[in-house]
Amino acid sequence: QKEVEQNSGPLSVPEGAIASLNCTYSDRGSQSFFWYRQYSGKSPELIMSIYSNGDKEDGRFTAQLNKASQYVSLLIRDSQPSDSATYLCAVPGGISGYSTLTFGKGTMLLVSP
Amino acid sequence: GAGVSQSPSNKVTEKGKDVELRCDPISGHTALYWYRQSLGQGLEFLIYFQGNSAPDKSGLPSDRFSAERTGGSVSTLTIQRTQQEDSAVYLCASSFGEKLFFGSGTQLSVL
Repeated sequence: QKEVEQNSGPLSVPEGAIASLNCTYSDRGSQSFFWYRQYSGKSPELIMSIYSNGDKEDGRFTAQLNKASQYVSLLIRDSQPSDSATYLCAVPGGISGYSTLTFGKGTMLLVSP
Repeated sequence: GAGVSQSPSNKVTEKGKDVELRCDPISGHTALYWYRQSLGQGLEFLIYFQGNSAPDKSGLPSDRFSAERTGGSVSTLTIQRTQQEDSAVYLCASSFGEKLFFGSGTQLSVL
């Protein structure tokens, strides 16, 4: 069973702090990794993708990938209350192969003003 | 359309009834996915359509669930003889490439 694991949280950080969200995955064959953000009562939206070991930065967001450790993380710098949401890690692979995404259960982030 | 459209947005039904959920993907997107999300849970893959290929039904939890995609566009997910454990948000997504675009979902409540 291919799995994607995340701490459910909530992760609480003050405004302006760095939020660090972590994800581990079981399938060593996975080559691409995605972070989706889901506001309460809304549908998920893609915010970051990463394919190579190391860091990928996009504005206040940085995705980090370590394939040897099967670990992917998302850092949010200068966290804002509007960043409060559930962050879902997604990895291709699952019961139907690499054409579909397996999602973690998500980590809830709460940014307090 | 501008985005993935799902209907109805909410559906309340009685145990044992059949329900149909509709998804209208973004025009030109060849791939269409159905996921469901129970309260506090992650997204559970149900079924995947890609172009004219046979659908991947490996995520359907039982034979009460079925889906079709007509003309490579609109998809309907049907749940027969609904059970209380079917209560969840059913999300449809489409893609042309790696990025999935999700609809706003159908909240299904089985009483």
